[in-house]
Amino acid sequence: QVHLLQSGPEVTKPGASVKVSCKISGHSLSETAIQWVRQTPAKGLEWMGGFDPEDDNIVYAQKFQGSVTMTQDTTTDTAYMEMKSLRPEDTAVYYCAKLAVEEAGPGVDALDIWGQGTMVTVSS
Amino acid sequence: DIQMTQSPSSLSASVGDRVTITCQASRDIDNFLNWYQQKAGKAPKLLIYDASNLAVGVPSRFSGSGSGTDFTFTISSLQPEDIATYYCQQYDTVLALSFGGGTKVEIK
Repeated sequence: QVHLLQSGPEVTKPGASVKVSCKISGHSLSETAIQWVRQTPAKGLEWMGGFDPEDDNIVYAQKFQGSVTMTQDTTTDTAYMEMKSLRPEDTAVYYCAKLAVEEAGPGVDALDIWGQGTMVTVSS
Repeated sequence: DIQMTQSPSSLSASVGDRVTITCQASRDIDNFLNWYQQKAGKAPKLLIYDASNLAVGVPSRFSGSGSGTDFTFTISSLQPEDIATYYCQQYDTVLALSFGGGTKVEIK
């Protein structure tokens, strides 16, 4: 059974950075396309970016290019999302999730397994 | 960017009612449309992928249809455990996902 376990809640100040981790179990990270999605009351669910299995690259949503860095450590099966220059409007629940390649097939960008979410609060 | 317009934003129905939610894309997205259920305090759960395919373990009272720009999600007989917010999500030929605004379903 595939499981994604995220790091705990973060409280940080405007202008700071935060790094959220997502450890996969029951599957190898090297065979998993992890995506990052955030949820705010104002904007709802927003896809931030993730690993594209079709060209083995990290792809970022335009809105988050330059402010977010996604990395993967296959030795520990852990994915990371680091966000810098945080603002109060970045206060959100951040989720990692995997593409449903095994169930839906390649090229179907659905998210079948999600982490529990990490609450990030940006406040002075 | 493709915009997804989901409606209604909320609805109230009785147990056993048929519930329908719609999602409209700003341009033709073929059948590249998924549906999720999110219960309070939990992560979203995939229910339907590619407009009409039921995800593993999802009850058959859930269904989806549509292609192009207009899509429908249906609960054939609303159950108390279906209280949640439902989201549509589109994807493209390149990796880029976007979600609808959500529909909150409550029991009357």
